[in-house]
Amino acid sequence: AAGVIQSPRHLIKEKRETATLKCYPIPRHDTVYWYQQGPGQDPQFLISFYEKMQSDKGSIPDRFSAQQFSDYHSELNMSSLELGDSALYFCASSRPGQGITEAFFGQGTRLTVV
Amino acid sequence: AQTVTQSQPEMSVQEAETVTLSCTYDTSESDYYLFWYKQPPSRQMILVIRQEAYKQQNATENRFSVNFQKAAKSFSLKISDSQLGDAAMYFCAYRSEIQGAQKLVFGQGTRLTINP
Repeated sequence: AAGVIQSPRHLIKEKRETATLKCYPIPRHDTVYWYQQGPGQDPQFLISFYEKMQSDKGSIPDRFSAQQFSDYHSELNMSSLELGDSALYFCASSRPGQGITEAFFGQGTRLTVV
Repeated sequence: AQTVTQSQPEMSVQEAETVTLSCTYDTSESDYYLFWYKQPPSRQMILVIRQEAYKQQNATENRFSVNFQKAAKSFSLKISDSQLGDAAMYFCAYRSEIQGAQKLVFGQGTRLTINP
């Protein structure tokens, strides 16, 4: 069965650079959620999209932006990277009407800022 | 705001024995969902078990079961017949819903070690 695909799996960037993380939801899933998990930390909600519109926003820095495209994939853009942005970034997706209760997680993108 | 607390940073158990992981939460909602997620070394979040608050019966999935105490706002996970593959971080999570937008609020996690 198809799963949530995140790319790249690993990314190394220097401070002040820009990074783009991509999330491809399970086919026919219309909602995408982004989470950030720092080293030894619990996942923190960043932002979510439903039908290409932002549905909720968490503790996402102003340096970050995200969007969901017409094919329902989502991209998280991170600018002016800081060492503290080093983390595992998860994406999850869910079907219409199911919400996060039935969400599936991707394997994450590990971002390292040096 | 909803909060989730896991008071056990680490737990260990002998293979084939039973272990219980604790979780408490705080909410003013009457209907909600609670979850236990497993995060193995691969780091992927895997749903272990889910409980809807209005259901009085405790959820069970094979060797995994919960003890849901709504009044006490407690949601513990019991793993029976522990296996080496159960070794992972376990996160308790609460489904928050505000004006139709849902998200998961996670606890701090419990690292479970299985001793052979």
